This record gives sequence, C-alpha cells and structure tokens, in this order.
Amino acid sequence: ELKVEQNPLFLSMQEGKNYTIYCNYSTTSDRLYWYRQDPGKSLESLFVLLSNGAVKQEGRLMASLDTKARLSTLHITAAVHDLSATYFCAVDTEDYGGSQGNLIFGKGTKLSVKP
Amino acid sequence: NAGVMQNPRHLVRRRGQEARLRCSPMKGHSHVYWYRQLPEEGLKFMVYLQKENIIDESGMPKERFSAEFPKEGPSILRIQQVVRGDSAAYFCASSYRTDTEAFFGQGTRLTVV
Repeated sequence: ELKVEQNPLFLSMQEGKNYTIYCNYSTTSDRLYWYRQDPGKSLESLFVLLSNGAVKQEGRLMASLDTKARLSTLHITAAVHDLSATYFCAVDTEDYGGSQGNLIFGKGTKLSVKP
Repeated sequence: NAGVMQNPRHLVRRRGQEARLRCSPMKGHSHVYWYRQLPEEGLKFMVYLQKENIIDESGMPKERFSAEFPKEGPSILRIQQVVRGDSAAYFCASSYRTDTEAFFGQGTRLTVV
C-alpha cells in the first residue's frame, strides 16, 4: 500500500524559531509536492521537487528531497505568524502504475506560530 | 487568466438527494482531477479526466459517484442519493499537460443533513 507519512501532525512554535517538518513516503516516486492550506481555503502550491537532492527555497521555507531515503523535509527559518497554516506533502503514483495527477497526500502538519 | 473555478462553494443536501459539483479548469488546461478531503485529513484522489475521457477512476466509489468532462463546459462530479458520510470538501485541480503542475480550485464544501 502506498503511504505518505508526515510528522509532526501538529506543531506549535514561537516566532523567530526554526523547525523541520518531515515527509516519508513508501513509493519509488521521485516527484514530491508541498502545499499550504489555510482554514477553509484551497491548496497553494509551494514547491515541486523533481529529482534526488533537489532543494528549493522561498522566503522562510526551504524544501529538500532525498529519493533514496524516500524523505522530504520542509524547513522553516525564523517563523512568523503568517506561516500559520496546514502543510501537506504529496507524491504522485505514476511510477507505481497510477496516473500522473493521482497524488497521495500526507495527513498534513498543522502549524501554529505564536508571538 | 482566472484560476480553477469551482461552484458552488458550499452545498447543503438532504440524505437521498443528488449533489452536482462543477469545475471549470484554467484556460488551456485539458486535464482535470477531483479530490475529496475529510475534516482534519489530507486529500484523497478520486478521478482523473481528460476531455471527454476518464483516465483513472481508481479512487472513485463504485456506486453513486460519477464524473464527466464534456467537450464543452465544466467537469461535473455527481453524487447520487447522498449520505452523511459524503460530507466533505471536494477539490478540483487542472493541468495543461500530464507533466506540468496541477492547480487547485477553492473547493466545494458539501454538507449532507
């Protein structure tokens, strides 16, 4: 069974601190996506990681991918309140016989940044 | 260029009624994907369509659910004889090609009473 596991599921952190969210997956897919979702809103694409060793950064967020370990990380640097949201990682199943666009999502990490 | 448009944003149905959810993909996108999100959960893939064709429906329940993407007009996700367990947020995404990023709509929040 294909699985995508995120941890932690809940994260409360203070402004200015650093933290990392982990995403483990069980497929051989080397395409991994990170999304942000605000309450009652849609998903906003943050990063698309397409190869082993890929690292992308946008503002205070940096994502990396290790396909051999089947692990992606989302690192938050000097958190601010505006980063409070739920963050999802997802992998596609095309390499596993599914169709591209058939994404398997993790359960999400609910991040709360407190002053 | 408008994003992926879904309507209605909120839909309330009584048990046994039908629900129709619409999705207009981004301009130029011919690939549409439907996902369901239960409270406090990640999204679960339901179906992938490309103009007039269902490509992958491996996540679609076998009964009561159907999807279409006609040559003209939006993609429709149809749920017949809704039950309380169908209450969820349903998201649609679209992409230009299979190897390009998919963008999500705002979702339709279905409540079955």
